[in-house]
Amino acid sequence: DAKTTQPNSMESNEEEPVHLPCNHSTISGTDYIHWYRQLPSQGPEYVIHGLTSNVNNRMASLAIAEDRKSSTLILHRATLRDAAVYYCILRAANYGQNFVFGPGTRLSVLP
Amino acid sequence: GEEVAQTPKHLVRGEGQKAKLYCAPIKGHSYVFWYQQVLKNEFKFLISFQNENVFDETGMPKERFSAKCLPNSPCSLEIQATKLEDSAVYFCASSQSSRGGYTFGSGTRLTVV
Repeated sequence: DAKTTQPNSMESNEEEPVHLPCNHSTISGTDYIHWYRQLPSQGPEYVIHGLTSNVNNRMASLAIAEDRKSSTLILHRATLRDAAVYYCILRAANYGQNFVFGPGTRLSVLP
Repeated sequence: GEEVAQTPKHLVRGEGQKAKLYCAPIKGHSYVFWYQQVLKNEFKFLISFQNENVFDETGMPKERFSAKCLPNSPCSLEIQATKLEDSAVYFCASSQSSRGGYTFGSGTRLTVV
């Protein structure tokens, strides 16, 4: 499985943008880049995913490098509710392929 | 409904007892996955199903763990003769296709005492 590396932890102030980086230098051409987050005492929650182009949704934006070896999850205005562990995961295009979770980035949001 | 329902939320078993966990995937989702989260951030893949068929069981400790997804029933994960190290949160997720994401349930916390 292609691996991802993320910083262990990051801190942000409330209402400021947050850029969460992820390196995936061994990504293959058909791997999708997925981001999930896990709030305390909850199951992982889907945030966003993409293949090559940048993606936006109501939760976040995903910026994918041209060579696809890295990506950045962007939270435009962090709120206290965004404090969570964020996981960057590569998923092969095979139907039913399971995710391989790394340790993720623990994001703290300061009021 | 649009959520993955896991029951029970909490389960306490004495060492050696059986534990059974349930998961109702989202209607229309063909794939079901089970993960075990032991330490806070570490997820271990256990098994996946495509409808009622086992798709990938490479993560399953086969001696004591078994799982099923039968038609018109919740999926289940059963642990025979639980051990202390089985204490974890067990998450179920369902997925419609490879292009979309997973939807996870809120987990079952199993405590073996």
